Amino acid sequence: ETGVTQTPRHLVMGMTNKKSLKCEQHLGHNAMYWYKQSAKKPLELMFVYSLEERVENNSVPSRFSPECPNSSHLFLHLHTLQPEDSALYLCASSQEGGATQYFGPGTRLTVL
Amino acid sequence: DQQVKQNSPSLSVQEGRISILNCDYTNSMFDYFLWYKKYPAEGPTFLISISSIKDKNEDGRFTVFLNKSAKHLSLHIVPSQPGDSAVYFCAASLYSGAGSYQLTFGKGTKLSVIP
Repeated sequence: ETGVTQTPRHLVMGMTNKKSLKCEQHLGHNAMYWYKQSAKKPLELMFVYSLEERVENNSVPSRFSPECPNSSHLFLHLHTLQPEDSALYLCASSQEGGATQYFGPGTRLTVL
Repeated sequence: DQQVKQNSPSLSVQEGRISILNCDYTNSMFDYFLWYKKYPAEGPTFLISISSIKDKNEDGRFTVFLNKSAKHLSLHIVPSQPGDSAVYFCAASLYSGAGSYQLTFGKGTKLSVIP
């Protein structure tokens, strides 16, 4: 595997379910990010991790819970989501001190 | 309030001609500007960037121009090819600590290159 991978690519869940999105980067980077892209809106930064520590949390509801066990892996744990949380969730990574972020293919999430 | 704006949702250009995509920003603290290209069902792909201390950066068919006084940047693609048809996002970066940067994106411009 090369670059940034995300699983699953598609996810449908009910409002009472608990699920997790997984991201893995194979670029040797040490900063990782979660973004959300809703229809007709720009990509919105959700969380930033650098050297496995959370650096930024852009006022994201607590029903989204990130986890970064090491510099190559990033998770987004989901519970009791709302239908308006349906969106494309993108993971990205960057080299320490580098502004360029490299994105995975995204997970298309639908909340019923 | 949007800090990065791409005011043209779409653009159509004939193959071989120049494509010019525009982007405006409001925050003078942004230190890097980046352009990404996105195909349907894929994540954004990095295209080209420019530091806030420069006014031009060129990479093959792609050139980005930055006008700091006008808080405006543009991406020029010459010559345009049908494979360039995609959504193009402008992004601006701010240092967010511990070696990481926060990107703020525009809504994107859908470029269609007509053969």
